[in-house]
Amino acid sequence: VQLVESGGGLVQPGKSLKLSCSASGFTFSSYGMHWIRQPPGKGLDWVAYISSSSGTVYADAVKGRFTISRDNAKNTLYLQLNSLKSEDTAIYYCARGGVMDAWGQGASVTVSS
Amino acid sequence: DVVLTQSPVSLSVTLGDQASISCRSSQSLEYSDGNTYLQWYLQKPGQSPHVLIYKISNRFSGVPNRFIGSGSGTDFTLKISRVEPEDLGVYFCFQATHDPFTFGSGTKLEIK
Repeated sequence: VQLVESGGGLVQPGKSLKLSCSASGFTFSSYGMHWIRQPPGKGLDWVAYISSSSGTVYADAVKGRFTISRDNAKNTLYLQLNSLKSEDTAIYYCARGGVMDAWGQGASVTVSS
Repeated sequence: DVVLTQSPVSLSVTLGDQASISCRSSQSLEYSDGNTYLQWYLQKPGQSPHVLIYKISNRFSGVPNRFIGSGSGTDFTLKISRVEPEDLGVYFCFQATHDPFTFGSGTKLEIK
C-alpha cells in the first residue's frame, strides 16, 4: 500500500491550489479516503472524507472552500483548496479507509503574501 | 462539533513502566449501529502518523499487545504497559462517529 501526495507549494491568500494523492497497492475504489492536515508544530486537524461511493464530509473550517473528490480510474484522490487563508498553512496528508490505516508522507502548503 | 480532550498534554515515563492517556469526548461516541468509532494514532518524530487502535480496543495488525485501548461512551483510555524506546512520540485520539470527525489535541510521550 502506498499513498503519495503532490501539488503543495507557496500560494498567496485568496488563491487556489489542488492537491493530489496517488494510491497504489490496493483496490482504491473500494476504500473511503481522508485528508488530514498538520499546521507547523501543532497537532492533527481532520479536513475531509470521501466514501467509496463518493459521499463527502467536511470540517467546518473548510466547508465551502475545499472540495474533496476522487478519480477511481486514475487511483487518485484530490483536494481542491480555494479562498486560501494563512491558517490553512500545514502539511496535508491523505489516509486510507475509515481506520486511516495507511498515510502518505504529506504535502506542504504555505499560504503567505 | 465533538471536542476530544486529551490528558495529560505530556508524559515522561521510565522505560518498562506503564503510561496512561485519557481521551474524553463532549458527547457519547456510540454510533446508531452499536459501534464506537474511537481510534488512537501515534506520530513518531519526523514521521506520518500510524494507527494503533480502532473501535476503542481493537489493536491494528502488527501493533504490540502492550498497547491496550479501553472505555465507552465519553471516556476512553490508552494504556501502554512496559514502555519501550520506540514508543516515544505524540499520541492522538480520533472520533469518526459524529460529522465532522475530530482529533484530540495530542499527548507527547517522552522517555525519562
